[in-house]
Amino acid sequence: GAVVSQHPSWVICKSGTSVKIECRSLDFQATTMFWYRQFPKQSLMLMATSNEGSKATYEQGVEKDKFLINHASLTLSTLTVTSAHPEDSSFYICSAPRRAGEGNEQFFGPGTRLTVL
Amino acid sequence: QQQVKQSPQSLIVQKGGISIINCAYENTAFDYFPWYQQFPGKGPALLIAIRPDVSEKKEGRFTISFNKSAKQFSLHIMDSQPGDSATYFCAASTQAAGNKLTFGGGTRVLVKP
Repeated sequence: GAVVSQHPSWVICKSGTSVKIECRSLDFQATTMFWYRQFPKQSLMLMATSNEGSKATYEQGVEKDKFLINHASLTLSTLTVTSAHPEDSSFYICSAPRRAGEGNEQFFGPGTRLTVL
Repeated sequence: QQQVKQSPQSLIVQKGGISIINCAYENTAFDYFPWYQQFPGKGPALLIAIRPDVSEKKEGRFTISFNKSAKQFSLHIMDSQPGDSATYFCAASTQAAGNKLTFGGGTRVLVKP
């Protein structure tokens, strides 16, 4: 199957700092990627849709100025958590459909565990 | 508004038994229904998926049953093994909405040896 990677796999930061998480599609191009957040023992909640070459689309209730998304190439999307606070501590997961607009199969990255002290 | 409701929240089954997880949806525009398996600290992995023009799909020990009129679909895990112990999520999406996945709440399955 298609491979999606994330980096870093875990990060610990101090409150008030910014953290960047990378999502890469390794063997296919992805014009669209999705970012999710998952709290312990809960389901995945879609945060935003990352679109290559254009602005991201955010879900209701997600602060676009706090969660900056950049989709600079067909294989890379980044999520930057700005001025992170302890309540932002969560498991962040990205996904990418193998072929945008054709079929729905999505491949998920391994996730990034963010802990804000 | 939770568009995909999943039950049960947790499930304990003996090795060799059948695990059954159910999901119900509200949005009739959904046209793709995948099931994902997630182990602790890992991203979800696609198990099996179905489209609404098919009532059943089987892949190995995993079977999806789909009831379009009832707006329900279920996952059956046959001959459950301890390695199947994980959290399972149903999801739904529609191409018209950019293939965004809406997830169910998840079911934690424990298979006892």
